[in-house]
Amino acid sequence: NAGVTQTPKFQVLKTGQSMTLQCAQDMNHEYMSWYRQDPGMGLRLIHYSVGAGITDQGEVPNGYNVSRSTTEDFPLRLLSAAPSQTSVYFCASSGDRGNTIYFGEGSWLTVV
Amino acid sequence: KQEVTQIPAALSVPEGENLVLNCSFTDSAIYNLQWFRQDPGKGLTSLLLIQSSQREQTSGRLNASLDKSSGRSTLYIAASQPGDSATYLCAVRLIQGAQKLVFGQGTRLTINP
Repeated sequence: NAGVTQTPKFQVLKTGQSMTLQCAQDMNHEYMSWYRQDPGMGLRLIHYSVGAGITDQGEVPNGYNVSRSTTEDFPLRLLSAAPSQTSVYFCASSGDRGNTIYFGEGSWLTVV
Repeated sequence: KQEVTQIPAALSVPEGENLVLNCSFTDSAIYNLQWFRQDPGKGLTSLLLIQSSQREQTSGRLNASLDKSSGRSTLYIAASQPGDSATYLCAVRLIQGAQKLVFGQGTRLTINP
């Protein structure tokens, strides 16, 4: 059972480039979300989804886009990368809000 | 606005000691509270989940308590081992906004052999 899988693990982007961070879970979870982790700021919610076709903004959504076409996948798109988006990104999923939340291994992104 | 605080930010103790990590939150309107462990360069691993109606949860050498009225949770680690060295994070899940987890900054724990 793979759990939550994120790719790529490491990525370097130039300012202005776009890219997609992939997230997939094999636990048939309805709830999926993206967080970023920054020193001194902790983990902050970017976007989340409560099921296929349903997404909403979190605390820091600007510069990011998401879609949820299947239960399993929840990609995060950086539209035009900025140095301020240098961070570690975590994808998470849970069956419902009363259940344990499972995190992926993280994606380290550097924007130069 | 919900705020979660973890004190201390770092803790270093000799192997074998029992220790307590603290987590406090400002708004008692939470759905549940979860403790995580994060090793350097890794993701978060869930340790214990306490629903708002529960007082404590136990898993092996770990025991987490929740006092919602006072806005506090503690993670008790018995007989600490060097392998327990990691950053421990607590997070509260809000009643409003099903996906919103608010995290503390974490306590970096070092267990010295």
